[in-house]
Amino acid sequence: DVKVTQSSRYLVKRTGEKVFLECVQDMDHENMFWYRQDPGLGLRLIYFSYDVKMKEKGDIPEGYSVSREKKERFSLILESASTNQTSMYLCASSFSPLHFGNGTRLTVT
Amino acid sequence: AQSVSQHNHHVILSEAASLELGCNYSYGGTVNLFWYVQYPGQHLQLLLKYFSGDPLVKGIKGFEAEFIKSKFSFNLRKPSVQWSDTAEYFCAVNSGYSTLTFGKGTMLLVSP
Repeated sequence: DVKVTQSSRYLVKRTGEKVFLECVQDMDHENMFWYRQDPGLGLRLIYFSYDVKMKEKGDIPEGYSVSREKKERFSLILESASTNQTSMYLCASSFSPLHFGNGTRLTVT
Repeated sequence: AQSVSQHNHHVILSEAASLELGCNYSYGGTVNLFWYVQYPGQHLQLLLKYFSGDPLVKGIKGFEAEFIKSKFSFNLRKPSVQWSDTAEYFCAVNSGYSTLTFGKGTMLLVSP
């Protein structure tokens, strides 16, 4: 069974802080994704990666960056957190279908 | 760009009622279609998928969906819902090697 692990379930950060969200998958998948989930807006793709050191912008990349130094790990970085980045962040791997982690609920105060 | 429309944001049903959640997509070519479910406090998980073949797809927990190409639709159905079906349901679509596009979700509340 595919396991996608997000390092934190809940995070509270202050405005302006640099925030790292970590995601690890154990199935040697090439494709990894970061989504944010907001009520009434569904899931929106932030960034994705098809391979190590490779990244592609999704639909809402502004204010975010990513890092993929190893195949199993895909990090989402909020360079300077803002209150409008308060959200549930979901990591996923594989492609069709996607396998999701449990999510990180980030609150920026 | 693809778009996915889910007709209802909130649905409230009594146990044993029948369920149909609507999903329409915009892309006219070959598509892959999915329904995901998120139970309270749990991660998103795949309910069922359609790639090709029989347009009536059966998934887990008694759910099924029908792909109607002429209507660009992939509606989710269950003949008799249970309280444990209370969850948020997401329709999603991709084509070829494009990324998945999700609908905005439908929150289903089943009252006992």
